[in-house]
Amino acid sequence: DQQVKQNSPSLSVQEGRISILNCDYTNSMFDYFLWYKKYPAEGPTFLISISSIKDKNEDGRFTVFLNKSAKHLSLHIVPSQPGDSAVYFCAASSLNSGGTSYGKLTFGQGTILTVHP
Amino acid sequence: KAGVTQTPRYLIKTRGQQVTLSCSPISGHRSVSWYQQTPGQGLQFLFEYFSETQRNKGNFPGRFSGRQFSNSRSEMNVSTLELGDSALYLCASSRDSPGGELFFGEGSRLTVL
Repeated sequence: DQQVKQNSPSLSVQEGRISILNCDYTNSMFDYFLWYKKYPAEGPTFLISISSIKDKNEDGRFTVFLNKSAKHLSLHIVPSQPGDSAVYFCAASSLNSGGTSYGKLTFGQGTILTVHP
Repeated sequence: KAGVTQTPRYLIKTRGQQVTLSCSPISGHRSVSWYQQTPGQGLQFLFEYFSETQRNKGNFPGRFSGRQFSNSRSEMNVSTLELGDSALYLCASSRDSPGGELFFGEGSRLTVL
């Protein structure tokens, strides 16, 4: 039972254009969502997060949108740069379930983003 | 500020053996979580420790165990290794606060032959 799904295994984008990575979830208890980026031979690094009380969060070139009714979130990268080429993981947690789930994230399968110069 | 340190980075074991992996969290972080990454299953939560106590556990068999020491360093152990245990094992630490992000180490790459 995959509670967090990233249906696109890969995405190819031209430098300077927008990259849109999508993520769907099924567990209504999830109330905090994060995006991580991973380069080969390195651990994932945190990009941006959003609480379920918001529908948008921006940080520089990165914006995350949350649609709770559709149980869908997306990460927009504008403009895309070749250095953004990596695997992007969507993750979710239930922070309000007694406050004991800070370290427990449910990850999607990841999307390989390739940004061409 | 030093990041999360995992040792060893690479190791090769044979079926039936056991392995112990070590993780040193970022200074001041008291929560340590472990994840298994495989090509087919992605990143899966193993367990989380806080103040030397296991606080959460994922859906892995009892062959997978862990512990945390008083200095927040953590170890995980896998006994009776199986071929399917070949994976990248990632450790992450956090400040353990609402919205506190996880900081991951580079991982320990285990190959079981």
